Amino acid sequence: KAGVTQTPRYLIKTRGQQVTLSCSPISGHRSVSWYQQTPGQGLQFLFEYFSETQRNKGNFPGRFSGRQFSNSRSEMNVSTLELGDSALYLCASSKNPGTGGSYGYTFGSGTRLTVV
Amino acid sequence: EDQVTQSPEALRLQEGESSSLNCSYTVSGLRGLFWYRQDPGKGPEFLFTLYSAGEEKEKERLKATLTKKESFLHITAPKPEDSATYLCAVQRNTGFQKLVFGTGTRLLVSP
Repeated sequence: KAGVTQTPRYLIKTRGQQVTLSCSPISGHRSVSWYQQTPGQGLQFLFEYFSETQRNKGNFPGRFSGRQFSNSRSEMNVSTLELGDSALYLCASSKNPGTGGSYGYTFGSGTRLTVV
Repeated sequence: EDQVTQSPEALRLQEGESSSLNCSYTVSGLRGLFWYRQDPGKGPEFLFTLYSAGEEKEKERLKATLTKKESFLHITAPKPEDSATYLCAVQRNTGFQKLVFGTGTRLLVSP
């Protein structure tokens, strides 16, 4: 059974540029959440999508956005990159929103974004 | 606001030396408390979900317990392959049901 797939694995961008990250959830999972992980802050919630709709959004500026497609794949976009956006961006999938349940939320391996 | 505090930040054990990791939490209505393991360069790997005080779950050398304010992850006779960062997260049972994570405990088990 394929896990959560995130692409690309590594990315180096320059300040001011924009970036798009992709997440393919486990087959049958319709909810996708995004988290930012940094050494100082740990994992911080970005947003959650279900049925192509954003259900929840964390405390991040409007430069961070996302979307979900009809096949449940999700993308997140960061515009006007800043040095502080350097982080590991993780995607997690579950069958339905808010139901990590007995099997938890399944995370991908993440995209390591470095802004220079 | 929901909060999770994990201690210690780092723990070094000798192989076979049992210990416990702590996760203290405050949440307005707990839906579930999650434990994850994260290896360097990888995403968190699900270990356990605990739902109510008094609940316990085990998996190999790991045992997780839950009280109304804390959760413990007990590691019995650890092996070097148990070295990882262990993350605790809570999810509330109403409204905004995101996972709120602690900053983790980095465990190093030496042979």
